[in-house]
Amino acid sequence: DVQMTQSPSYLAASPGESVSISCKASKSISNNLAWYQEKPGKANKLLIHSGSTLQSGTPSRFSGSGSGTDFTLTIRSLEFEDFAVYYCQQYNEYPPTFGAGTKLELK
Amino acid sequence: QVQLQQSGAELAKPGTSVKLSCKASGYTFTSYYIYWVKQRPGQGLEWIGYIYPGNGGTYYSEKFKGKATFTADTSSSTAYMLLGSLTPEDSAYYFCARSVYGGYFDYWGQGVMVTVSS
Repeated sequence: DVQMTQSPSYLAASPGESVSISCKASKSISNNLAWYQEKPGKANKLLIHSGSTLQSGTPSRFSGSGSGTDFTLTIRSLEFEDFAVYYCQQYNEYPPTFGAGTKLELK
Repeated sequence: QVQLQQSGAELAKPGTSVKLSCKASGYTFTSYYIYWVKQRPGQGLEWIGYIYPGNGGTYYSEKFKGKATFTADTSSSTAYMLLGSLTPEDSAYYFCARSVYGGYFDYWGQGVMVTVSS
């Protein structure tokens, strides 16, 4: 299975700041990577697929980059609604695997 | 709009089974795969497998073969997952999610908590 290593596990920031989350795959996954947002009481939300393609409805302050084994999710000018848990997921091969998650907390 | 509505929380005894449902709306049910994902409290997401309602085809992660069974009722646009021979290790949140084959999950259900306890 492709192992997805996500870092950091926890991240504290303030509204208006920019943050980046890293996701590293144990082997090349081309650009077959998605990012999701998890919030309590809500269905998980797809933010980005294909490494850098924003899903319809995802605010433009979110961006994704990378290919191969190294990927990054960047959120510019954090808003209160962005404080959540973020997961990466590879879908290059079966089984699809997820990173362990990054909890973005309010500083 | 696309929605996946999951059934309510379950409390089950060890050795029994639970059947979870995932009712789809807002799209053609038979045109997308329904995937199931497990998340134990405080842990990451784990893929269980999928069903393609278009032809009933299923695929299971090796770890969940014999544990999970997927079915789909196209008349009600509802996918089901039967979890059998429950143990405390099956206590977790279970999510359904929609996908095209081999792709990302563009819509998720809200999740359902299964608690296995005597």
